[in-house]
Order: sequence, then structure tokens, then C-alpha cells
Amino acid sequence: KAGVTQTPRYLIKTRGQQVTLSCSPISGHRSVSWYQQTPGQGLQFLFEYFSETQRNKGNFPGRFSGRQFSNSRSEMNVSTLELGDSALYLCASSQPEGPSYTFGSGTRLTVV
Amino acid sequence: SQQGEEDPQALSIQEGENATMNCSYKTSINNLQWYRQNSGRGLVHLILIRSNEREKHSGRLRVTLDTSKKSSSLLITASRAADTASYFCATVALDGGNQFYFGTGTSLTVIP
Repeated sequence: KAGVTQTPRYLIKTRGQQVTLSCSPISGHRSVSWYQQTPGQGLQFLFEYFSETQRNKGNFPGRFSGRQFSNSRSEMNVSTLELGDSALYLCASSQPEGPSYTFGSGTRLTVV
Repeated sequence: SQQGEEDPQALSIQEGENATMNCSYKTSINNLQWYRQNSGRGLVHLILIRSNEREKHSGRLRVTLDTSKKSSSLLITASRAADTASYFCATVALDGGNQFYFGTGTSLTVIP
């Protein structure tokens, strides 16, 4: 079966702009989680969506938001981009109670 | 932060040798999982060990868990060049829903 698909693969944005990243989970997986990975902070949890509802949220500013659609696809939005938002953004899907994630290949965001 | 720590940060071995990496975490957990990440890509689930288990095997992988010390180790036997990657432990807290806390990672290089 198809894996977790993230688009785009690479993105370059200018400081102050906004960006939307997309994630299509494995068919049948209704939980989608997002992580930010940077060399300095490692993997940081952003949020989790299940049945179109945000079920869990990490410690990120309100500029980071997301949503989930009825087909379980999820989008993540970052507004007013800052240089520090440059990172690999990973999406992972799972069954509602886990136990393990299947990750996408990530979106590499560079803010200049 | 509930993020765990891994030791060593980097490990370089010859092909055929065994590689051991350790993970320490901070909270009571439901389970602990190990993931592998090839450079700049998504994470791949390797193995899961539940809090009531002490040891688990999967192919060339052996995982141990000591909940009293809040630590786990991952042993890769007879390493291959293809094992070169970063390895992360991830914990799911008892009250953490589906939120994973990832360790800082061990970068493993296997020299052919």
C-alpha cells in the first residue's frame, strides 16, 4: 500500500511569507501528527489530528497551525515565517492509538 | 522538556562489528520505540518494546528496556554499510495520548 506522502519535497520562502505543507496518510490511518526537525532542537512535536480535530498540541507559537480533512489528509500552515522556521517538517500517520508511526519523507523548508 | 537523550551522539564502527546505542528518558512510559533515519529523509520504525517487556529481538536488532532506570539500549549485530543512519528512540508517555517524545539521536557510521 502507498506510504505517507508529503508535498512539496523542498520549499524556499522569504521571511514574513506564509507556507502550507500537505500530508496524505496511509489509507486507513486516521491519526496524523506533525514534527519539526532541526539540528539544534531535534524532533519536536507540533500537533496531532484525528477525525478532523486537533487532539494534541506541542509547544509552538500560534503561527503554526494545521487542519485535517474528512479524507484524513492534513495540511500544516506557518504564517509570518522566521529564519528559525527553517527545518525538515515530518508528517506521520498511525492508527488512532498507535502504536507506531509511519513517516513521510518530509518537506525541507528553507526561509531566507 | 520530556525529550530523551541518546548516547553516544556519534558512533563509527567497521562492517561486521556490533553497534550499541543507549537511550534515557524522563517519564513513565507506555512503550518505547526505535526509529532509523537516513540522511534528510523520514524516519522508519524499527522495533517497539512495551513497558512490561525487558527484551525484544527482531532480526539483527535487540532492544532492552529497564523501566527502573528509565533507559533502553539498541544493539545491531553484524553491522552492514547500509545500517549507516541516525537512530532515535521515541517514548509514548502513559498520559501522553499519541504524542511521541524523541531522543536526540545517535549517528551511526558503518565503514565497509
